[in-house]
Amino acid sequence: GAVVSQHPSWVICKSGTSVKIECRSLDFQATTMFWYRQFPKQSLMLMATSNEGSKATYEQGVEKDKFLINHASLTLSTLTVTSAHPEDSSFYICSASYGALHYGTQYFGPGTRLLVL
Amino acid sequence: AQKITQTQPGMFVQEKEAVTLDCTYDTSDQSYGLFWYKQPSSGEMIFLIYQGSYDEQNATEGRYSLNFQKARKSTNLVISASQLGDSAMYFCAYPQGAQKLVFGQGTRLTINP
Repeated sequence: GAVVSQHPSWVICKSGTSVKIECRSLDFQATTMFWYRQFPKQSLMLMATSNEGSKATYEQGVEKDKFLINHASLTLSTLTVTSAHPEDSSFYICSASYGALHYGTQYFGPGTRLLVL
Repeated sequence: AQKITQTQPGMFVQEKEAVTLDCTYDTSDQSYGLFWYKQPSSGEMIFLIYQGSYDEQNATEGRYSLNFQKARKSTNLVISASQLGDSAMYFCAYPQGAQKLVFGQGTRLTINP
């Protein structure tokens, strides 16, 4: 149980284009979803937290106009990287939580590798 | 804000040996929990084990166990009888407000045959 999927798993795009990444909770309703970014050999850095039907809360230093997050339902959140540039190339991971046993439990998607040429 | 520190960037261990991965944290919370995740080269984050601050015993999950020392604010992951498949990045994480997770820098574990 508590499976989270992400699509696509890989994306290569040209500089200046926009890329949308989907995150779905497959067998539970996620009260909160999180988006992380991870550069090679580094830790996960939280970009934003989103709750269904409300605006995402972005971490300090994350451009909300560049990284658009939509959490339209309890099972789907999307991250759109607008006007992507090579420096946006990274590994993006989403996670989802619900009223699990342990506070802070998050279920992670498999991640999306973005390469901007 | 809570701070999580993993001081071992890389660890190399012979297969079948036990290995301990360190994690310390800085918090003033009285009640809290700590998570450990494994990230293989595929990138997925795999939940390994959880320790609650008021748990009377150290957490154990199969070959994974935690050496939780509350006074020292450390929760070290012990992997017994290491296997080649244990080679991965390992992260400890601390939940803070709004259920956010703060991750340590990670330790890259390499198991040698």
